[in-house]
Parts: sequence; C-alpha cells; structure tokens
Amino acid sequence: DSGVTQTPKHLITATGQRVTLRCSPRSGDLSVYWYQQSLDQGLQFLIQYYNGEERAKGNILERFSAQQFPDLHSELNLSSLELGDSALYFCASSAGSNTEAFFGQGTRLTVV
Amino acid sequence: AQSVAQPEDQVNVAEGNPLTVKCTYSVSGNPYLFWYVQYPNRGLQFLLKYITGDNLVKGSYGFEAEFNKSQTSFHLKKPSALVSDSALYFCAVRDIEDSNYQLIWGAGTKLIIKP
Repeated sequence: DSGVTQTPKHLITATGQRVTLRCSPRSGDLSVYWYQQSLDQGLQFLIQYYNGEERAKGNILERFSAQQFPDLHSELNLSSLELGDSALYFCASSAGSNTEAFFGQGTRLTVV
Repeated sequence: AQSVAQPEDQVNVAEGNPLTVKCTYSVSGNPYLFWYVQYPNRGLQFLLKYITGDNLVKGSYGFEAEFNKSQTSFHLKKPSALVSDSALYFCAVRDIEDSNYQLIWGAGTKLIIKP
C-alpha cells in the first residue's frame, strides 16, 4: 500500500459527460502529480500541485482541469469526454525534492 | 530542456541471465534519479533512487542501478532474472535545482523474461 488513495477505481461514462477523479496523497506529502496512461503507453504528465499551488503543466487538454485543496487532496476534472480520453489516470505524491513519488492504484476511465 | 531516454521499447532476457534496462538523462543541474516498475493494471512501484553518494544503488527485488555522471546514465540491472520480473520499467529524473520538484519520465521499457 503506497498510502496514496484514488477514487473511484473504475468509471464508465458516456461521451460528452464530465467526471471528477479524486486523490488523497500520503500524509504529509505536499506535491501531487496527475498522469494519464493509455493502453500499453507511457506516462503522460498532466499537471502538478505543490501545497495548493499549480507548479507545472504538461500535456493537459483545456477540457481538463485540476485543483489541490487546503487539506492537500486533489481532484482532476475531465469534461466533454471523448472516446480517446479512455485511459488509466494516476495520481502520485511526494514530500520533497530528493524523495520518491508514491503512486495510487489509478482510476480506469472508460468513455463509451 | 530536461529529458529522459529509455532507448529500448522492449528487452527480452532468458530466466537466470543478467538483465540491463537502459536509461540516459539530460538535466541542467545535478540529478536525482529513480526507477519504477509497473505490473499490469497496477500503479507504479518505486524500486530505487540515486540521490548522492555511492554510484551503485541497491533497491527492491534484487535490482540495482549504477549512476554514471560522465555518460549521464542510470542503467537498471539484476544479476539473475526471474520470470516474475516481467513488467514495464520507468526511469525518472528530477533536477536538484528545480524548486518545482518536477519529475521527468522516460517512455518505459517492457521487460520480458522467458523461462
């Protein structure tokens, strides 16, 4: 158990809909990262927060947004969903620069 | 620009043979380096890291990695492969100077260990 909790584990939704993925980082970790992983693909970095502030943005679509709340949990909002958005979405957290990131088990999103 | 390269999409090794999964990096400052493993339908699991000190780092499941500053490499190794080592392996780097703590990831290498 990495200590990072992601909910839900699975999500099936229709095209055009909006969903929210939730991540609770490990206790004390201030950095939260979101990644997208399509079938048999590498990790696509979406966005990073540190103590509530956005710190880095990757290949995140305008239809996607995220935030980190004062209690450090984070949410990734995906809207106007398309079939191509079907993927595993991972959240990871880390405490600092020289510490490893810990990953949640992911949310598998299926858009039908 | 910071980057990580894993030059092999797939590595095939016979069980019992040594394995190497390659990783090279580019950062403007000094690196922190990490290896992760991902089993099917699972999240990434941390294997080992290089922060400072001894260039040979030992990690979980008998894996080790050697930091080579002149070649900007951090190859993952294991003396004797097991079938259960078959998985997807990711290398990542963080620039010590980066106050945003960004992690830069390689594309991943699929390791297949054949009995």
